[in-house]
Amino acid sequence: KAGVTQTPRYLIKTRGQQVTLSCSPISGHRSVSWYQQTPGQGLQFLFEYFSETQRNKGNFPGRFSGRQFSNSRSEMNVSTLELGDSALYLCASSPWTASNEQFFGPGTRLTVL
Amino acid sequence: AQTVTQSQPEMSVQEAETVTLSCTYDTSESNYYLFWYKQPPSRQMILVIRQEAYKQQNATENRFSVNFQKAAKSFSLKISDSQLGDTAMYFCAFMGEGGGADGLTFGKGTHLIIQP
Repeated sequence: KAGVTQTPRYLIKTRGQQVTLSCSPISGHRSVSWYQQTPGQGLQFLFEYFSETQRNKGNFPGRFSGRQFSNSRSEMNVSTLELGDSALYLCASSPWTASNEQFFGPGTRLTVL
Repeated sequence: AQTVTQSQPEMSVQEAETVTLSCTYDTSESNYYLFWYKQPPSRQMILVIRQEAYKQQNATENRFSVNFQKAAKSFSLKISDSQLGDTAMYFCAFMGEGGGADGLTFGKGTHLIIQP
């Protein structure tokens, strides 16, 4: 079974631009969670999607949004990029929303200049 | 809100030694899950071990075992016969009763270095 895939793996943007990151979960998994990892704040929960619905969101501004498609693939979008958005963005796949099993993808490294 | 604290930013041991990583947490929930994740230089997060709070028996996975003290809210990871490939960041994480919908709460991590 293929693991979680994230694209692109690396991305460089400039302040003010917007970016879209993609995550394909493990086949059969219906829940996708997103996390941001920075040296200063560590790993923080962004949001979780299940059955195309956002179930929960962490403490992030409205510039951070996401969506999930009927095939469970998820995208997250960050608008009006700031320097502080530079981070490793990790996606995690779970069989269902209440599952305690989360399988992580390799991450997307976003650099904002 | 729950918090997870890892008090050891970095640890270094010799190959084949046993090492214990500390983790404490704070929560008002009675049913929850605790995890140790490993993040090697590749940045891929790998689940090392999982503990369900309602289970009194400590989880073990080959060379990895935990010491779960629910009353003390302590969840340490013991790595026996450490290997060079164990060098990585180790994160302690908490998940509440809501499961994935609530997300994982991570500690700041411990950088473990295994010396040859």
